[in-house]
Amino acid sequence: AQSVTQLDSQVPVFEEAPVELRCNYSSSVSVYLFWYVQYPNQGLQLLLKYLSGSTLVKGINGFEAEFNKSQTSFHLRKPSVHISDTAEYFCAVNREGGSYIPTFGRGTSLIVHP
Amino acid sequence: DGGITQSPKYLFRKEGQNVTLSCEQNLNHDAMYWYRQDPGQGLRLIYYSQIVNDFQKGDIAEGYSVSREKKESFPLTVTSAQKNPTAFYLCASSIWVTGNQPQHFGDGTRLSIL
Repeated sequence: AQSVTQLDSQVPVFEEAPVELRCNYSSSVSVYLFWYVQYPNQGLQLLLKYLSGSTLVKGINGFEAEFNKSQTSFHLRKPSVHISDTAEYFCAVNREGGSYIPTFGRGTSLIVHP
Repeated sequence: DGGITQSPKYLFRKEGQNVTLSCEQNLNHDAMYWYRQDPGQGLRLIYYSQIVNDFQKGDIAEGYSVSREKKESFPLTVTSAQKNPTAFYLCASSIWVTGNQPQHFGDGTRLSIL
């Protein structure tokens, strides 16, 4: 079985400040990892994904994430946020050779203040 | 452009009524999914389908039913047996090959009780 924990339900930050959204996973086998963003009253959009190779993954809108196997983490970062980054962010994991149904975290609400 | 279309955007259900949420995709994806989203609870899987004429229950299938008669379409019926149907419903699709494929989401249907 696999599980995902997003450690912060809400992260408030001022515009142009850096931000980190934390995601930890649990799995006994290799995993694939995803970050999605959800704007109000919309569906989820893929931000970035880690499948293999380089542990630093770059995504859309200036976001990046680092896969850390020893700490079973996949934290999302952005060096300077904009008001338009205000949204809900979901981390998801799927096991290699698993059921192809990803497990989602509960989400982190990023609130960017002017 | 390829994508997933959910309709209607807003839906109201009367007591004892069944309602059907539409989901259509033109991405030529084999797999389709229905999720329920409640505040602070992330995404919970209702049903999924790997191929036409086959579907599987997810974690919270009670009170819901689906059909998959065409590859492009995966409608969800919320039956009167679902006592707490008020939620945001998301439809998704993906390539069903391995767990390394991201999901593509529609913009959701918000269901409320009258």
